[in-house]
Formats: sequence, structure tokens, C-alpha cells
Amino acid sequence: DQQVKQNSPSLSVQEGRISILNCDYTNSMFDYFLWYKKYPAEGPTFLISISSIKDKNEDGRFTVFLNKSAKHLSLHIVPSQPGDSAVYFCAAVTNTGNQFYFGTGTSLTVIP
Amino acid sequence: DTEVTQTPKHLVMGMTNKKSLKCEQHMGHRAMYWYKQKAKKPPELMFVYSYEKLSINESVPSRFSPECPNSSLLNLHLHALQPEDSALYLCASSQDRFGTGRSYGYTFGSGTRLTVV
Repeated sequence: DQQVKQNSPSLSVQEGRISILNCDYTNSMFDYFLWYKKYPAEGPTFLISISSIKDKNEDGRFTVFLNKSAKHLSLHIVPSQPGDSAVYFCAAVTNTGNQFYFGTGTSLTVIP
Repeated sequence: DTEVTQTPKHLVMGMTNKKSLKCEQHMGHRAMYWYKQKAKKPPELMFVYSYEKLSINESVPSRFSPECPNSSLLNLHLHALQPEDSALYLCASSQDRFGTGRSYGYTFGSGTRLTVV
């Protein structure tokens, strides 16, 4: 049972425009969320996180939004750069912090 | 040192071989993890070690045997694997499995690309 889902397997965006990656979850016990970026044959790299007590967290070009009532989070990348092309995974942690649940991933391509 | 180091980067082994994957971190993290990732799929949790004790085994077949010799090292011993076990094996570590302080510092290694022939 996939508790964290990314319904868009792929996304293409023009360089300089905004990339919006979406993630939905089902478990109301999740209270901490993370986004990871992954290049082929490499381990995931942490990008940004958000606690359930917040609805927005910003770090440079990356902003994560959390809508708890909709059980939905999104990652905004502005402006998108070709180097952002990678697979992006969202992940969620329960309030006991005992396990990460990863989404299915979205492959982002930023077109120069 | 803010890295998780995995060796080897690539491994090809036969179905009768015995091999080991190694993972090392020097960030003082007390939780370490093994994940398996197949192409175009999210990482799947295999094992969690917390304070050098195995705390989660996600029903992994016994041909995978984890070992945590100390707080900095995590091994994954492989024996009698099947071709379908070919995957990227990722090690990760974090400050505290139980999330106190919520500063997980969850860090992944670059992985070992395993091919079983």
C-alpha cells in the first residue's frame, strides 16, 4: 500500500520557469516531510523539509508547501535550471519517527 | 565529515558467491539504514539499526544479513542471491531514529550497484 504518492511520473519545464512537483499522502500520522533529488546511480540528496506545524518552508530557489487538510505537499523550484533535471522523491515520517515512506518519484527535465 | 561512504560502488556476483557491502559514517549518527532501489522505483527500506541494534527488518529474505559492528559501520552480507536481487543498494544514516529534536540529518550514501549473474 503506497502511503505517499507522486502522481506525475515526469515533468518538463522550460529553463527559467517554475517547476511544481506534487506529492499526496494518506497517513495522518505523518508529521514531517522531506524532498530528495536523485541522479542516476547516485544516492538521494536532501533538498528541503517541512514540519506539519508549518505550511511553507523556503530555501533559496526551493519552496515546499504543505496542505494538511488535503494531505498534499508540493515543491516549487524557481527559476528552474537545467542542472535541476533529476528524479525528485518526497518522503514522509510518522510522529514516532520510526520509518521513512518515499513517494514514487517524479522525473524533472528542465529544457534549456 | 558529512558523508555516508559506501563500498564497493559496483559489484557483480554469482548466485553461489558470498559478498559484503560496507557503509561508513562519521557524523555521530546513531541510526543507520539499508535500502534497495530498483530502476524507476522509490527506495525500499530493508533494515534499520538504532544504537547498533536491529530495530526494523522489513521481511527481507535471509540471504541478506545485516551487521552493525559499531556506531559508524554498517555491513550487508550477501549469500546465494538471485538475479532479481540486482539493484542499487543504498545506505543512509540519521541523528536519531526516534526523531527527538526533529533534526534528522538524514543522509544517503551513493549506493552500491549490485548485479547478480
